[in-house]
Amino acid sequence: EAQVTQNPRYLITVTGKKLTVTCSQNMNHEYMSWYRQDPGLGLRQIYYSMNVEVTDKGDVPEGYKVSRKEKRNFPLILESPSPNQTSLYFCASRNDRAGDTQYFGPGTRLTVL
Amino acid sequence: DAKTTQPPSMDCAEGRAANLPCNHSTISGNEYVYWYRQIHSQGPQYIIHGLKNNETNEMASLIITEDRKSSTLILPHATLRDTAVYYCIVRVAGVFMNRDDKIIFGKGTRLHILP
Repeated sequence: EAQVTQNPRYLITVTGKKLTVTCSQNMNHEYMSWYRQDPGLGLRQIYYSMNVEVTDKGDVPEGYKVSRKEKRNFPLILESPSPNQTSLYFCASRNDRAGDTQYFGPGTRLTVL
Repeated sequence: DAKTTQPPSMDCAEGRAANLPCNHSTISGNEYVYWYRQIHSQGPQYIIHGLKNNETNEMASLIITEDRKSSTLILPHATLRDTAVYYCIVRVAGVFMNRDDKIIFGKGTRLHILP
């Protein structure tokens, strides 16, 4: 089944403790992206990647890192999480064919205490 | 900012057709109309998209007016599982696609399916 998977789905952590949220897609998509969703603010793009070893900042990249060493994986790294990073996170992917649709993962609900 | 306007909420009886309107009066010639939905806190799910012709797939139909300033998403036989927030988005596609291709979701329409 074609899908985008994220792990973990739920995470409660403490300020400053490094964490990684994984994202994997099995559709051989070149483009991948991370969003966060907060009440009243909608979905905001954190980082995106056009292909392996190519990553760019989105609208809210502060406090986050990403890497794209393989086509299928696009992990989101929080080196020193803070409470304002408590949010619902979504990974998305898309083929690079013009007009292709973005497909979203199931989401990761992160709470930073 | 989202370039679409949708009613904040709608009700529909189970088994009936749900017609969700969207206004996009400033749509450009190279922008498509996309519809996604989000069931409570799940990942946004793609439904359908179109440029100017009406489109139909296994989930829904999309009717776009001739001037492209508005569209309607039709769920032909709504079920309780269709209860969700529905987002209408205009998005550049094709050779004019922005590099970041970020999707800007507005507030959407919260669709309640009534048993």
